[in-house]
Amino acid sequence: AQSVTQLDSHVSVSEGTPVLLRCNYSSSYSPSLFWYVQHPNKGLQLLLKYTSAATLVKGINGFEAEFKKSETSFHLTKPSAHMSDAAEYFCVVSATNFGNEKLTFGTGTRLTIIP
Amino acid sequence: KAGVTQTPRYLIKTRGQQVTLSCSPISGHRSVSWYQQTPGQGLQFLFEYFSETQRNKGNFPGRFSGRQFSNSRSEMNVSTLELGDSALYLCASSLGYGGNGPIPMNTEAFFGQGTRLTVV
Repeated sequence: AQSVTQLDSHVSVSEGTPVLLRCNYSSSYSPSLFWYVQHPNKGLQLLLKYTSAATLVKGINGFEAEFKKSETSFHLTKPSAHMSDAAEYFCVVSATNFGNEKLTFGTGTRLTIIP
Repeated sequence: KAGVTQTPRYLIKTRGQQVTLSCSPISGHRSVSWYQQTPGQGLQFLFEYFSETQRNKGNFPGRFSGRQFSNSRSEMNVSTLELGDSALYLCASSLGYGGNGPIPMNTEAFFGQGTRLTVV
């Protein structure tokens, strides 16, 4: 079985400062991990994904995440926050090692950007 | 290309009624998954269909069912609605993998905007 734990339910940062959203995972095999973002009243958008290639994964809108097997972590970072980054972020693990057909979501982290 | 289309966007139903939600995946995608999103339980996997067959099922009662048509469009049905079924229902479409041949390079799941169901 696989699971993800998002360590912070709410993160607030000032515009222009770094963002760190933390995620730990549990999986019985080499996992596929993702970060999704959900803006209010919108569907989910994929930010980035890790599928056993490079451990440092770059995504859209300046976000990146590093897969650390020894720490079972997949934290999401961005060097400089923008007002448009305010949203809910989900760390996700796939039940298969190649696809996206059965995703297990974390509980989400609400990111607030302070002007 | 067109994204994932879910209809209707909003729905209000009465307890005890049944409801059918529709999802049209991206053209060429064969896998459709459904998720329920509530404030209390977060995002939970309902089921996944690939080539008209249900391959995976989450931990939901039998009142929740679905199907997939030959054109990959999918419907989910909830019978005997309860107040707790009020939620945002999200559909995800992906290329999918049938288990034969090379694994597709990109199996990203694309989500629709969801159907917000309110049970009163």
